[in-house]
Amino acid sequence: DTAVSQTPKYLVTQMGNDKSIKCEQNLGHDTMYWYKQDSKKFLKIMFSYNNKELIINETVPNRFSPKSPDKAHLNLHINSLELGDSAVYFCASSRMDSPYEQYFGPGTRLTVT
Amino acid sequence: GEDVEQSLFLSVREGDSSVINCTYTDSSSTYLYWYKQEPGAGLQLLTYIFSNMDMKQDQRLTVLLNKKDKHLSLRIADTQTGDSAIYFCAEKTDSWGKFQFGAGTQVVVTP
Repeated sequence: DTAVSQTPKYLVTQMGNDKSIKCEQNLGHDTMYWYKQDSKKFLKIMFSYNNKELIINETVPNRFSPKSPDKAHLNLHINSLELGDSAVYFCASSRMDSPYEQYFGPGTRLTVT
Repeated sequence: GEDVEQSLFLSVREGDSSVINCTYTDSSSTYLYWYKQEPGAGLQLLTYIFSNMDMKQDQRLTVLLNKKDKHLSLRIADTQTGDSAIYFCAEKTDSWGKFQFGAGTQVVVTP
């Protein structure tokens, strides 16, 4: 009965590698998000998709490419990983009408060595 | 986020009330939210308030909104050790569902 799930929970990889994080929601929401939380717990939106269409794309390096195969899934692919990409990445989903409550996944802790 | 500010730390004794404060800058915000993050977990929505309200109560939680001063607070009555967590204030900034989060307030509950 998990609402928003992410895989993997932990990801350790070397600089220069390419990796993907997957997200799925079973809430029937039409909007999904990716957030990055740094070591100081600061949470910043990266991308938002509504009905598989990209609606928010913050100033994120183009090494990050989100993909939404359907409304229930939003994956994040990262090319040429850098040390500064180390963070916890959270997926979230919400309805696109009020009160726009967001439900967060458990997070993926990415460590780049 | 630079548009939503919170104090970083709050220590409170078990059984006392906690008050966490937040200021925001976007006067067009329609909804404001409080989230709780426990160690190693995602954010959990605690409560929200619509911008035309000035107070909302939900069991031990009371949200106060001063729209003139752009000030939001969360009061937790009878604080318990399980309330120890990071609390994030967030605002919904525009019609495309963009949310701006504060830096979080670490609440530590001592016996």
